[in-house]
Amino acid sequence: DAGVTQSPTHLIKTRGQHVTLRCSPISGHKSVSWYQQVLGQGPQFIFQYYEKEERGRGNFPDRFSARQFPNYSSELNVNALLLGDSALYLCASSSGTGRDDGYTFGSGTRLTVV
Amino acid sequence: SQELEQSPQSLIVQEGKNLTINCTSSKTLYGLYWYKQKYGEGLIFLMMLQKGGEEKSHEKITAKLDEKKQQSSLHITASQPSHAGIYLCGAGVMFSGGYNKLIFGAGTRLAVHP
Repeated sequence: DAGVTQSPTHLIKTRGQHVTLRCSPISGHKSVSWYQQVLGQGPQFIFQYYEKEERGRGNFPDRFSARQFPNYSSELNVNALLLGDSALYLCASSSGTGRDDGYTFGSGTRLTVV
Repeated sequence: SQELEQSPQSLIVQEGKNLTINCTSSKTLYGLYWYKQKYGEGLIFLMMLQKGGEEKSHEKITAKLDEKKQQSSLHITASQPSHAGIYLCGAGVMFSGGYNKLIFGAGTRLAVHP
């Protein structure tokens, strides 16, 4: 079975542009979470989606948005990019059924804003 | 809000030596996850601990959660160059609706020299 798939793997954007990152969860998993990892720090929670509904949102500006599709894949959109948005963006897949959920992470998308 | 502190921040050991990484939480842990990350890549799940006093092992890596569920340790026996990377502890934190997200420590960077 395929693991969590993220695309693209690397991306370079200019300040002010927008970007769309994509994630396909493990087959059978209905929940996708997005995390931002700045160099030298642990991942920070951005969003969690379950069956197309947003369950939770971290402390990120409205420039960050996401959605989940009927096939449970997800997109993370970031508008008006800032230099500080340069980071590794990680997608985590889970069943979404509750507290004991295990999380499987993808390999991430490395975003560089210049 | 809950915070995780990892120690040490970085570690350099000679191949074959044992080592321990610690993760301390500011609040009671209801689910403690250990992940390994190669530089710039995704997170690889190692172990999840939930019960006070619980201990799990996989190959040469052992993780423990203390009885009070506020501290976890990760112990590597007879380290190898393949153990090099960043070790992250993550805690399941509830948000509204009864679902959880992960918060992470800043990570411990491990180098193993032959």
